Amino acid sequence: EVQLVESGGGLVQPGGSLRLSCAASGFTFSSYAMSWVRQAPGKGLEWVSTISGRGGTTYYADSVKGRLTISRDNSKNTLYLQMNSLRAEDTAVYHCAKSVTRDILTGYYHDYWGQGTLVTVSS
Amino acid sequence: DIQMTQSPSSLSASVGDRVTITCRASQSISSYLNWYQQKPGEAPKLLIYAASSLQSGVPSRFSGSGSGTDFTLTISSLQPEDFATYYCQQSYNTPLTFGGGTQVEIK
Repeated sequence: EVQLVESGGGLVQPGGSLRLSCAASGFTFSSYAMSWVRQAPGKGLEWVSTISGRGGTTYYADSVKGRLTISRDNSKNTLYLQMNSLRAEDTAVYHCAKSVTRDILTGYYHDYWGQGTLVTVSS
Repeated sequence: DIQMTQSPSSLSASVGDRVTITCRASQSISSYLNWYQQKPGEAPKLLIYAASSLQSGVPSRFSGSGSGTDFTLTISSLQPEDFATYYCQQSYNTPLTFGGGTQVEIK
């Protein structure tokens, strides 16, 4: 059974940092690209970033480029999101999601999602 | 960026009703369109990929159609467990973008 469990969320001040983790199980982690998708309170879904299965290719939303960094440790079956220079508008539940392909190809989509971890940026 | 517009933003329906949700892309995305269902406090669940392919384990009352810029999600006979929010999402290019969501409520 595929499981994705996020952790690391919490309350942080504007300008602060946080690192989110997503522990994956039930599939061959290195064979699939992985993404972070966020959802602000009461709002819709917003794609944040995707990393290829081997970690060599990454993509980011313009709103987070230069501040958030996606990475993965295939030996630990874990996906990460390093969040720096956080802003109030980064407040959201952050979901990790498994892609259906190893590489980031046209038409890729996500077949499993975690329940998410809440990040609140506030003073 | 490709803009995804869903309509309606919400609807009220009864168990057994046929429900249709539409999604329009700001440019052609071929058939690179996916549909997700989300219930409060839960993770999104993939229903339909590539516009019309039913994800394994999803009931056959869900179906998708369309190509280019106009797409439709249909629930043929609404069940109590289908009351949720539905999102379309394009995967034609990065950034991946979602529609604003359609909340399906009980009439």
